[in-house]
Amino acid sequence: DSGVTQTPKHLITATGQRVTLRCSPRSGDLSVYWYQQSLDQGLQFLIQYYNGEERAKGNILERFSAQQFPDLHSELNLSSLELGDSALYFCASSPRGFTYEQFFGPGTRLTVL
Amino acid sequence: AQSVTQLGSHVSVSEGALVLLRCNYSSSVPPYLFWYVQYPNQGLQLLLKYTTGATLVKGINGFEAEFKKSETSFHLTKPSAHMSDAAEYFCAVSVPENNDMRFGAGTRLTVKP
Repeated sequence: DSGVTQTPKHLITATGQRVTLRCSPRSGDLSVYWYQQSLDQGLQFLIQYYNGEERAKGNILERFSAQQFPDLHSELNLSSLELGDSALYFCASSPRGFTYEQFFGPGTRLTVL
Repeated sequence: AQSVTQLGSHVSVSEGALVLLRCNYSSSVPPYLFWYVQYPNQGLQLLLKYTTGATLVKGINGFEAEFKKSETSFHLTKPSAHMSDAAEYFCAVSVPENNDMRFGAGTRLTVKP
């Protein structure tokens, strides 16, 4: 158990819909990262938040957004969903930045029908 | 930007045999290098990391990796494979100056009895 929790575990929705994925980091970790893992794209970094502020952006689509709340939990919002958005979405946390070990949550499997 | 290439998407070894998973990186500045393992239906877990100092890094579960700057490589090895080592392995690179982490495409390790 990494100490990072993600909800829900599975999510099935239809094209055009909007969903929210939730992540609670390990106690004491200030950084939260979101990753997308799919068969064709592999594991891709989406976005990082540090202590409530956006710190880094990767290959995140404009239809996707995220935020980190004062209690340090984070949400990833995916809108206008397309079939190609079906993937595993991982949240990870670390004490600070990218040079620290990241602790990964179990992931949310999103299926868009 | 930095990048990482994992040679071989699938590697199969016999139980007790040497495990060698290859990773080459590209970075214009000294990188931080990581190996993560992903067991089925789980998130990623750090095996080991190289930041600075000793180039031979020992990790969990008997794995080790050697940073070779001249070869831009960070290959992962284990002297004797166990059935429990069957998983997907990801090499990753980050650079302190860049708020980013790049993962390789992954190598699926199969261990035959």
